[in-house]
Order: sequence, then C-alpha cells, then structure tokens
Amino acid sequence: GAVVSQHPSRVICKSGTSVKIECRSLDFQATTMFWYRQFPKQSLMLMATSNEGSKATYEQGVEKDKFLINHASLTLSTLTVTSAHPEDSSFYICSASGNLGDTQYFGPGTRLTVL
Amino acid sequence: EDQVTQSPEALRLQEGESSSLNCSYTVSGLRGLFWYRQDPGKGPEFLFTLYSAGEEKEKERLKATLTKKESFLHITAPKPEDSATYLCAVQARSNTGKLIFGQGTTLQVKP
Repeated sequence: GAVVSQHPSRVICKSGTSVKIECRSLDFQATTMFWYRQFPKQSLMLMATSNEGSKATYEQGVEKDKFLINHASLTLSTLTVTSAHPEDSSFYICSASGNLGDTQYFGPGTRLTVL
Repeated sequence: EDQVTQSPEALRLQEGESSSLNCSYTVSGLRGLFWYRQDPGKGPEFLFTLYSAGEEKEKERLKATLTKKESFLHITAPKPEDSATYLCAVQARSNTGKLIFGQGTTLQVKP
C-alpha cells in the first residue's frame, strides 16, 4: 500500500515552454499533496501544499503564477511549470498524505531539464 | 523557528560495522518525527514515524528511537545495500502537515 506515482520521470524542454507533471496516489485517497524540488546534494525544499478542491498554499519565495498546482481529485495533483527557463531545471518530487494518517508518501520524482 | 539538524553529513562503514545517525530537532509542539531513505535519483522511501519520547520502532537492520530533543537511527550490521541518504523530518502540531527536513546523512557501506 501507499504507492505514489509521477509522470513523466524525465522531461527535457526548450526555454519558454510549459511542462506539466502528474502525481497520483494509486492505492489511497490523498486529501493533501505536497510538491518539492531538490537540487543536487541538497535536501527537499517544499514548494507548495495543496488540498483536494482548494487553492494551493505556496511557500515564501515560490512564484504561484510560474508553478501552477491543481489538485482536482483525491488521487491526482498536477504541477505545471510555465515558461520554463534553465534555472527551473531540477528534480521535482510530490508526496501525498490522507486517509492513511499523517505520513507523507513520496513519488519517484521527475527530472526536469530546460535547455 | 522549527529546525532539524542531522549528523554526521556523511558516514562510511564497513559491512557489519554498526553505527547510529543523529537527528536533533526544535519544534513548537511535535506532531511526529519521520525517517526516510533516499537513493540517488529517486524519491524518499518511508521508513518510520515516531510520535512521543521513548518510542522505538524497528525494521530489519534499522531501529529508530526518539527523545524530546533528538532521534537516532541505529543501523545494526549494515550491508552494502543499506547505502543511501537517510532523511529526518519533523511535523509540528501547528502546521498543516508540512514536514521540516534535515540535510540528510549519506551512508556508504563498503563490502
């Protein structure tokens, strides 16, 4: 139990394009989903928290118009990086928590490279 | 301010050489302390949740303990496959499920 998937696992795009990353909880209902980014040899940095059916809450310094988050159902959240630039290249990881308690279960991550 | 500090940053062990990883924390009311394992290029894998001082949990060669100020992850007779980065995180009662992560301890176990 407690499996979270992400798609795609890797994406390469040109500067100025938008990229959508999906996060799904496969075997439980995720009332809350979280989006993180991780730079090489660093820990996870929380970007935003989203609750199903509500607007996401963004951490200080994270541009909400650049990183669009939608949590439309209890099993799916999406992160769209709009007008991506090379500095947005990073490892993006989602997590989900819900009816299994407070524990966050993480997806496998998405490696974004912006050329 | 809620804060988590892990030590050491890196640890090299010989196979079979037991050791402990430390996670010191300050939090305004602890809701839970979490241990995760992260392999390179992958998302963190859940290991343990601890809720109150004195609590202990075990899984195979790993044992996590909790006091009011810190948590230890004890690794008994490690194997090369235990090599990974181990992350500690705390969740405060006041936050809506947010985790505050430490910087992690990168463990390398040599055969």
